[in-house]
Amino acid sequence: AQKVTQAQTEISVVEKEDVTLDCVYETRDTTYYLFWYKQPPSGELVFLIRRNSFDEQNEISGRYSWNFQKSTSSFNFTITASQVVDSAVYFCALSENSGYSTLTFGKGTMLLVSP
Amino acid sequence: EAGVVQSPRYKIIEKKQPVAFWCNPISGHNTLYWYRQNLGQGPELLIRYENEEAVDDSQLPKDRFSAERLKGVDSTLKIQPAELGDSAVYLCASSLNGEVGTEAFFGQGTRLTVV
Repeated sequence: AQKVTQAQTEISVVEKEDVTLDCVYETRDTTYYLFWYKQPPSGELVFLIRRNSFDEQNEISGRYSWNFQKSTSSFNFTITASQVVDSAVYFCALSENSGYSTLTFGKGTMLLVSP
Repeated sequence: EAGVVQSPRYKIIEKKQPVAFWCNPISGHNTLYWYRQNLGQGPELLIRYENEEAVDDSQLPKDRFSAERLKGVDSTLKIQPAELGDSAVYLCASSLNGEVGTEAFFGQGTRLTVV
């Protein structure tokens, strides 16, 4: 069974629009971490945020915000006022206590922001 | 501080030929990972090292893949012989330790094309 599901394969928006990337996860562990990574065309995965299973407080960092809801096993990511430089593939990932630091990634969502 | 360095960036080989990838992790990072990323997919773990010990190689196709991390620093991933299905991006990552939730830093990857 897929542990991290990113149902949106590709999203296209126009600059300055807000966009939300969805992530649904599955785990039996009570201790786990969720991550978002960004992969620009250069290929390097860039860390954006990490949340642990005991902290459901939502977070805002500049134009980025994250909504973590254990009740629905979701960890969604919103970009406010998108910019062309936000164009990339975004991955949601899970690190479970039983798997130590190994990351299980979703298939990614490609975000295209046009001017 | 230098990030994770991988070489080569690109490699094209004929099937049945051997190929090797090299990774230099961030200084001081005890944990090193090799992930494989197929086109349109998220990265998947091949092997995880704690210092020089391979602690999770359950997903490494051992009939043709091998890896080593001598002295617990640099690592090499080898494929022999390569098959067409091995075409992918091979990502190396490192983290301070192997505890759940530890942030992993990724290199730019090696894009392998087998023809």
